[in-house]
Amino acid sequence: QTVVTQEPSLTVSPGETVTLTCASSTGAVTSGYYPNWFQQKPGQAPRTLIYSTSNKHSWTPARFSGSLLGGKAALTLSGVQPEDEAEYYCLLYYGDVWVFGGGTKLTVL
Amino acid sequence: EVQLVESGGGLVQPGGSLRLSCSASGFTFSTCAMHWVRQAPGKGLEYVSAISGNAANTYYADSVKGRFTISRDNSQNTLYLQMSSLRAEDTAVYYCVKQGGLGTFDYWGQGTLVTVSS
Repeated sequence: QTVVTQEPSLTVSPGETVTLTCASSTGAVTSGYYPNWFQQKPGQAPRTLIYSTSNKHSWTPARFSGSLLGGKAALTLSGVQPEDEAEYYCLLYYGDVWVFGGGTKLTVL
Repeated sequence: EVQLVESGGGLVQPGGSLRLSCSASGFTFSTCAMHWVRQAPGKGLEYVSAISGNAANTYYADSVKGRFTISRDNSQNTLYLQMSSLRAEDTAVYYCVKQGGLGTFDYWGQGTLVTVSS
């Protein structure tokens, strides 16, 4: 069974930079896994921030960026804002199978 | 403006059935693969099912295979999820999600809550 692993929680101060990662139990994550990143705030539906590793939607704030880092997919927030406090999920593609990571709860203190 | 509106959720007894619908607007529905994703209370996101734009290809997570059926009516711009033999662990908010290009998830609906309980 394929497992996608994210940091369970991270805490950051406003204005700092933080990187969330997304690892695959099958090995290094590549662009062929089409990593997507989603943000979910309490009581709301998820919204997509990043698709296909590093592409942003029109609504994605410029401070969010996606990349591949050390064999993992990565989501970097540069200059974190209080409103970025949320749960973040990654999603990887394994042929016919899509698998979500367990999510990272980002706390902004 | 893209809109996805789920409906059909509710309370159902274990072993029962329910059909969810997702009404789509604002894009060419027939050209887009569509997905169902669920989230149990207080838990993370779980991928459930997918269907290609022409309905020729479908996919199911192991947890729902044989019990759930995804379908679509492109003439009505509507996605469906027929759920049967429901279990307590199927209790979740069910979201429909639009796929853009390959590997691109873009728009999410607001979700519909399914509660399986006696």
